[in-house]
Amino acid sequence: DAKTTQPTSMDCAEGRAANLPCNHSTISGNEYVYWYRQIHSQGPQYIIHGLKNNETNEMASLIITEDRKSSTLILPHATLRDTAVYYCIVRSGLGQGGKLIFGQGTELSVKP
Amino acid sequence: EAGVAQSPRYKIIEKRQSVAFWCNPISGHATLYWYQQILGQGPKLLIQFQNNGVVDDSQLPKDRFSAERLKGVDSTLKIQPAKLEDSAVYLCASSISRTGELFFGEGSRLTVL
Repeated sequence: DAKTTQPTSMDCAEGRAANLPCNHSTISGNEYVYWYRQIHSQGPQYIIHGLKNNETNEMASLIITEDRKSSTLILPHATLRDTAVYYCIVRSGLGQGGKLIFGQGTELSVKP
Repeated sequence: EAGVAQSPRYKIIEKRQSVAFWCNPISGHATLYWYQQILGQGPKLLIQFQNNGVVDDSQLPKDRFSAERLKGVDSTLKIQPAKLEDSAVYLCASSISRTGELFFGEGSRLTVL
């Protein structure tokens, strides 16, 4: 399984964009990049995923480099409610057999 | 849409006792997962079911942990006998497999004294 590397913690000012980096230099051609977040005392929550192209949804944008060795999750206008641990995960396998293996994640603190 | 339901939310037991956790996934979700999350760490996959069959249980400590999903819907995770290091939050998740988008319950927090 491809491994990911993330900073342990980051701070962001409320209302500013939060850019969370992830390194996955050993990713294979058929592996997707997934982002989840976990707010304190809750279960993880799916944010977004991608293969090659940049992706955007109502929560965030995902920018994947052309060589796919790294990616950045962007929260365009961070709020205090975005304070959480953010996990970057490379999903092994395809279809129903694929499993999500969580690392340590990045603890994002959004400050007023 | 109802989310993933788990119970109990909290459980305190003494070492060597047994405990069981229950999970009801989102209706129609064929894949069910149990994760263990120790304080300060990311969730660790214990077992993955596809309907009522086991897809992956390579990280399940089978000498003390067992899990079943008899009718392909609800699932139970059991620990017997519990050890101090089993203190953790046990998270259940379900998915419509192809997307890899897992929906997690709020978890069951176990404290072993």
